[in-house]
Amino acid sequence: DQQVKQNSPSLSVQEGRISILNCDYTNSMFDYFLWYKKYPAEGPTFLISISSIKDKNEDGRFTVFLNKSAKHLSLHIVPSQPGDSAVYFCAASGSDSWGKLQFGAGTQVVVTP
Amino acid sequence: DAGVTQSPTHLIKTRGQQVTLRCSPKSGHDTVSWYQQALGQGPQFIFQYYEEEERQRGNFPDRFSGHQFPNYSSELNVNALLLGDSALYLCASSVQGISYEQYFGPGTRLTVT
Repeated sequence: DQQVKQNSPSLSVQEGRISILNCDYTNSMFDYFLWYKKYPAEGPTFLISISSIKDKNEDGRFTVFLNKSAKHLSLHIVPSQPGDSAVYFCAASGSDSWGKLQFGAGTQVVVTP
Repeated sequence: DAGVTQSPTHLIKTRGQQVTLRCSPKSGHDTVSWYQQALGQGPQFIFQYYEEEERQRGNFPDRFSGHQFPNYSSELNVNALLLGDSALYLCASSVQGISYEQYFGPGTRLTVT
């Protein structure tokens, strides 16, 4: 069963605009959420994370928002740059299964000039 | 400071054969997790090794086994290869009990013919 879902397989955005990536989860035991970025022929690179005790975490151009009641999180990238073109994965873990990351299927982001 | 390294980069095997993939964790990390990423999907957790023992396991058959060595490096072994085992195999390292963030290697692309 897919406990982490990214329902948008692709997103196209203009350079300089905001990219918003969404992720939904079903397991209420998840208490830590991460976003990874993946370029072709490379492994996923950690971007930003958020604990369930927070509802927002910001790091430079990247902000993650968590809505626990809706079991939904989103990643905002502002402003989007051509180098942001990659596949973005949402992942989740819980204290009952520490170290086991469950990933969504990913969203392909294309930033156009 | 070397990141996570994996070998080989690519591998082609025949159905029924056995394969061994190798991983060296990031310096200072003591935990290694293995993931399988099929085309168009997110990484799926296979298992995790800490203190040379398998600590957690995902929904993979016993044909998938592993090992961790005293220097924290790890191997993933797959026996009786099936066509469906063709995938990118990712190794990730982390520090046990400190942080949820895992750092990934570039992966080994396994093709089973």
